[in-house]
Parts: sequence; structure tokens; C-alpha cells
Amino acid sequence: DAGVTQSPTHLIKTRGQQVTLRCSPKSGHDTVSWYQQALGQGPQFIFQYYEEEERQRGNFPDRFSGHQFPNYSSELNVNALLLGDSALYLCASSLVGGGISYEQYFGPGTRLTVT
Amino acid sequence: RKEVEQDPGPFNVPEGATVAFNCTYSNSASQSFFWYRQDCRKEPKLLMSVYSSGNEDGRFTAQLNRASQYISLLIRDSKLSDSATYLCVVNGAGNNRKLIWGLGTSLAVNP
Repeated sequence: DAGVTQSPTHLIKTRGQQVTLRCSPKSGHDTVSWYQQALGQGPQFIFQYYEEEERQRGNFPDRFSGHQFPNYSSELNVNALLLGDSALYLCASSLVGGGISYEQYFGPGTRLTVT
Repeated sequence: RKEVEQDPGPFNVPEGATVAFNCTYSNSASQSFFWYRQDCRKEPKLLMSVYSSGNEDGRFTAQLNRASQYISLLIRDSKLSDSATYLCVVNGAGNNRKLIWGLGTSLAVNP
């Protein structure tokens, strides 16, 4: 049973550039949530995708955008990178379907460094 | 008041000790509660969901106190491998699928 996968594992970008991070959810899951985690902090919710639509959003600027594909995989895009965007980006998948289930399972994350 | 609050610790305990963490939440309409464990520079891993009646999984016991709006995690007979950060997670009110995370409590189990 494949767990949550993310790519790439590490990434170094320059201020002002754009980045795309990818996530494949756990087999059987239909919902993907993205988080940003700075060192020493808890994960900060960016947004959640279900049925290819953004369903919930945290307090992140429009520079952060996403997409979910018909196979439930997802992308996180960040434009005009700032030094403060350096963090571990975590993708979590869950099964919502017709019910309510919030147990989320995380991928290993993408560590983004902005120089 | 923060939506989810935890004592950051660190908690330093000897092997075999019993240790308990509390987490308070501000929204009385929250419905779902979880404890996650996170090792240094790794992703969070689901440890336990917390049910109204309380639940136990081996050495770990989780409880929910709705009246006082807190959840707790008890670890008995702690092992060196229990050293990690323990994150409390609560969903928003009602059907809100957004999960709100505490900053975590750091536990170090010493030989």
C-alpha cells in the first residue's frame, strides 16, 4: 500500500523565482492538504483540495496556489519566492468522500531553501 | 488565546517513567482531536485519534475533556524511542475540515 509521496525532497531556489512541489496521496485517499513548517514550529495550514477544488485556505498570500488532478495528486506552486518561504513543505492526504474523516497521513516533505 | 496551546517543554524523563501532556483548545465546537508524533526533521505521524470515551493503544492513553476543553496524552513505561515532539491537532468547528496544530511538546527520554 503506497503511502504519501512528495517530490522533490530538497530544492534550492533564488528569491523571486517560482517553485512547484508535487504530492501523490495515499492509495484510496481523495483529499490533499498542504502545510508549511518552519524550524521549531508546528505545521501551518496552507490549503486543502478535494474534488479538484480548493476547499479550505489558511492565512497565506495569493503567491501560494495549488491544483488537484483527477487522480487526486496535487501540486503546490509558490511565486515570487521570499527568503521567509524557506521551510519544510508537507503534504497530507486523507479520505473524506461522503463522510467526515480528518485523520491525515503525511509525506516526507520537501525542504525548500530560498537564497 | 491561541486556538490550540501546548506546553512546549522540553520534558526530560528517565526510561520507564510515566509522562503526561495536556493540550487546550479554544473552540468548543471542535469535533475531532488527534495526537501526532514528529521526529526531528521528519514528517508528523499520526499517533492516536482521541475519542470522547478516551482510548488506549498499548502504553499510550488519550483522553478528551470537553467541559474544560483539553485533551491529554499519557505515556507509560517510556522508552528511549519515545523521544520526539508530540503535536496536538484539533479541527475547526463543525464541518470545518481545517486542522489546527499546536506547536508541539518536546519529550526527551533519558537512559
